[in-house]
Amino acid sequence: QKEVEQNSGPLSVPEGAIASLNCTYSDRGSQSFFWYRQYSGKSPELIMFIYSNGDKEDGRFTAQLNKASQYVSLLIRDSQPSDSATYLCAGGGGADGLTFGKGTHLIIQP
Amino acid sequence: GAGVSQTPSNKVTEKGKYVELRCDPISGHTALYWYRQSLGQGPEFLIYFQGTGAADDSGLPNDRFFAVRPEGSVSTLKIQRTERGDSAVYLCASSPTTEGVSGYTFGSGTRLTVV
Repeated sequence: QKEVEQNSGPLSVPEGAIASLNCTYSDRGSQSFFWYRQYSGKSPELIMFIYSNGDKEDGRFTAQLNKASQYVSLLIRDSQPSDSATYLCAGGGGADGLTFGKGTHLIIQP
Repeated sequence: GAGVSQTPSNKVTEKGKYVELRCDPISGHTALYWYRQSLGQGPEFLIYFQGTGAADDSGLPNDRFFAVRPEGSVSTLKIQRTERGDSAVYLCASSPTTEGVSGYTFGSGTRLTVV
C-alpha cells in the first residue's frame, strides 16, 4: 500500500516568514514527487516537481527531497496571504498515477 | 483548448441512476488521468489512459465505474447504479509526456452529488 503522509494542520505562519511543509512517503520505488496548491473549491495546481535528491528552487519556492529518509519538503519564502491554501504532496507517476497525501492547510497571517 | 475542460461542473443525481462525466484534455496531450477527491482528502487515482487504451485501471473502485477514450482525446467516466458514497469531485488531468513525469494539469472538476 503506497502512502503519503502529511500533517493536516492548520499551519499558521506570519506574513513575510518562511513556511515549511513536510511529507513522508512509504514507496521506495517512487521516482518523482510533486507539490500542488489547492485553494478552497478549486482544483489542484502544480507548483513544483522534484526527482533528484537535494534542493530545487523556483522563485520563492524550494522543494527538498531525501530519498534515504523518504522525506519531501516545500519551503515558501517571504510568505504572502495569497499563499494561504492547502498544499498537497504526491509521489509516483507513470501508469500507477500519483499517490497524494491529504494535504496541509496553510494560513499566512497578515 | 487552453486547459483541461470538464463537464458538467456540477451534477446532482438520484441514487441508482447512471451518470457520465466528460473530460476534454489539453490538445496534444497523450496521457489522461481520472482522480476522485472526497472532502478533506487528497485526490485518489482512478484510471490512466495512454492514447486510446487504459494503461492502468487499478484505481477504479468496482465494476460500476468505467471510462473510455475512443479517439485518444476526449474521455468519459461512466458510473452505473450510483451510490451516495460516490459523491465527490471527479478530477481529470492530462500530461504531454507518456508518464507525467513533469506533473499534470488538472481540470476544474465535476462535483457529483448523489442524493
